Amino acid sequence: AQKITQTQPGMFVQEKEAVTLDCTYDTSDPSYGLFWYKQPSSGEMIFLIYQGSYDQQNATEGRYSLNFQKARKSANLVISASQLGDSAMYFCAPPRQLTFGSGTQLTVLP
Amino acid sequence: DTAVSQTPKYLVTQMGNDKSIKCEQNLGHDTMYWYKQDSKKFLKIMFSYNNKELIINETVPNRFSPKSPDKAHLNLHINSLELGDSAVYFCASSPGSGYTFGSGTRLTVV
Repeated sequence: AQKITQTQPGMFVQEKEAVTLDCTYDTSDPSYGLFWYKQPSSGEMIFLIYQGSYDQQNATEGRYSLNFQKARKSANLVISASQLGDSAMYFCAPPRQLTFGSGTQLTVLP
Repeated sequence: DTAVSQTPKYLVTQMGNDKSIKCEQNLGHDTMYWYKQDSKKFLKIMFSYNNKELIINETVPNRFSPKSPDKAHLNLHINSLELGDSAVYFCASSPGSGYTFGSGTRLTVV
């Protein structure tokens, strides 16, 4: 069965520092992708960024970027210049998104 | 305009009652989903509809019955509510890959 793994239940980062959140996808499908979502304490799910396995370059959206390592089947989310508003749960998920990772609770410290 | 709207946002009800949660999307997406997020923030898919046809029905008690009158609507009806049904329920829609989520319905069964 395909499995999505986020190994960090909680992470802390100092404001203005960069932080990396891990996500790996155990799949035999050579063509796949990974999505990242943010869930702040208000509860809504917000799409952040996506990368497919055949994309040539790592995806970037503002302060969010993906460190995509095809051999490891990982797409780690990098948040640069963390802000207090980045404190939230972060989930990764494959296409069709039948399964989400267990999430990482990120806390940005002032 | 809200892309995926769920109502109600909060629902408190007694055990044994029957309740419904409504979901509507104005994105023209073909596929809609219901997810349940438990107290540990774990997101689990419940149902998926594609153009009004049920395509995914995970292991969910048959007290839960989805209904899709058209591809823009996917409602969730729950019979004989139990304490364990307390959770946040998310509706989402997708054009085929990637989700847009509703804001969630926090169901509390007392």
